[in-house]
Amino acid sequence: DVKVTQSSRYLVKRTGEKVFLECVQDMDHENMFWYRQDPGLGLRLIYFSYDVKMKEKGDIPEGYSVSREKKERFSLILESASTNQTSMYLCASRQHGTDTQYFGPGTRLTVL
Amino acid sequence: EDQVTQSPEALRLQEGESSSLNCSYTVSGLRGLFWYRQDPGKGPEFLFTLYSAGEEKEKERLKATLTKKESFLHITAPKPEDSATYLCAVQATKSTQNSGGSNYKLTFGKGTLLTVNP
Repeated sequence: DVKVTQSSRYLVKRTGEKVFLECVQDMDHENMFWYRQDPGLGLRLIYFSYDVKMKEKGDIPEGYSVSREKKERFSLILESASTNQTSMYLCASRQHGTDTQYFGPGTRLTVL
Repeated sequence: EDQVTQSPEALRLQEGESSSLNCSYTVSGLRGLFWYRQDPGKGPEFLFTLYSAGEEKEKERLKATLTKKESFLHITAPKPEDSATYLCAVQATKSTQNSGGSNYKLTFGKGTLLTVNP
C-alpha cells in the first residue's frame, strides 16, 4: 500500500511566522504535490515536484515555496504566514509514468 | 481552461436508496478522470481512474462510468458508512502552458457531500 504521511495533523501559527509543512512517502515515487483545500473552492495545486530538486509552480504559488532535497520528502514553506493561508494542506505522491495521485491525511493550519 | 462541475453539491439518501453523482468536465483532451472519497478531516482516498468513454469500474457498492462529457458515480444500496464527500478530478493529455510539468496537473471539482441515513 502507498503511504503518504504529513508531519502534523493540526498546526496553529501566528501571522509573520515561518511555517514548514513536511510530507514523506514510502513508495519511491518521483512526483510529489502540495494542494490546499478550502470550502467552496475545492483542491488547488500550490506546487509540485517531478524529481529531486525539481519543482514547478501550480495554480496558487504566491506566498509559498517548496524544497525537495530527498526523493521521499517534500516540504512546503510559508515564508511569512498570513491569515489567508489558514487552510487544509494536502500532500500527494505519484509514480512517474502513472496517473493516480495518492494523498496524505492533511494538515489543518490555522494562522492567527 | 479545464473545468470540472459536480452535482448535486449535497445528497441525502436513506440506507438502501440507490442514486448517482454527476461529474461534468471540459478538458482539452482527457488523459484520465479520477474519483476520490474524502472523509471529514482526512485526505482524499483513491477510488477509480477512467480513461475512455464507455469504460466502467466497480468497487463494492460503487460503480463509475464515463462518457465524452461526464462521469457518473452510481451508488447501489448505500450504507451509512458510504457517507463522505466524493471528489472528481480530470487530467488533460496536453500541457496548457509552456512548462511540460503541467501535464501532471489534476483539476478537481468541488465535490458532492453524500449523507446516508440509517
